[in-house]
Amino acid sequence: KAGVTQTPRYLIKTRGQQVTLSCSPISGHRSVSWYQQTPGQGLQFLFEYFSETQRNKGNFPGRFSGRQFSNSRSEMNVSTLELGDSALYLCASSSAGTTMNTEAFFGQGTRLTVV
Amino acid sequence: AQSVTQLGSHVSVSEGALVLLRCNYSSSVPPYLFWYVQYPNQGLQLLLKYTSAATLVKGINGFEAEFKKSETSFHLTKPSAHMSDAAEYFCAVTRFSGGYNKLIFGAGTRLAVHP
Repeated sequence: KAGVTQTPRYLIKTRGQQVTLSCSPISGHRSVSWYQQTPGQGLQFLFEYFSETQRNKGNFPGRFSGRQFSNSRSEMNVSTLELGDSALYLCASSSAGTTMNTEAFFGQGTRLTVV
Repeated sequence: AQSVTQLGSHVSVSEGALVLLRCNYSSSVPPYLFWYVQYPNQGLQLLLKYTSAATLVKGINGFEAEFKKSETSFHLTKPSAHMSDAAEYFCAVTRFSGGYNKLIFGAGTRLAVHP
């Protein structure tokens, strides 16, 4: 079965622009989480969607937003990009997310560079 | 709140030597712990997970980890390092927040393997 697919793999944007990243979870998975990975801050949780509802959110400014569609695909949007938003953005899907030992499957990530 | 601390941001071993990557957890409830591996420009792949069924957990690629409640540790080991083990390794714990669970990652340990 196909894994988690993130598109695009690489993006270069200019400060002040906005960007939309896409994530297609494993078929049947209804939970999608997003993480930001930077050398300085490591892996930080952005938010989680389950059945089109955001049910968990990390400590990021409102410029970071997301949504989930009825087919469980998810998008995250970053508006008014800043240089500090340059990072690897990882998407993870899981079957439920309510069980504490639920395994999360990660995509290859989208490398965003803001110039 | 649940968290994990990885001791040593960089570990270097010779090929064929023992690999030991350290992870200590903080949790007021029985934790669910995970080890993930990340190869360059890739997403995270699950190595193994602890779910209280057994204290010694065997994972993929010859890795294993032992849960020690008395030491609040979940160290990752491999008897004999291979060049292909060079990667970054993350310990993670499930945190219950806002009624749902999310993964909280340690800062990561970069493993280098020398011939």
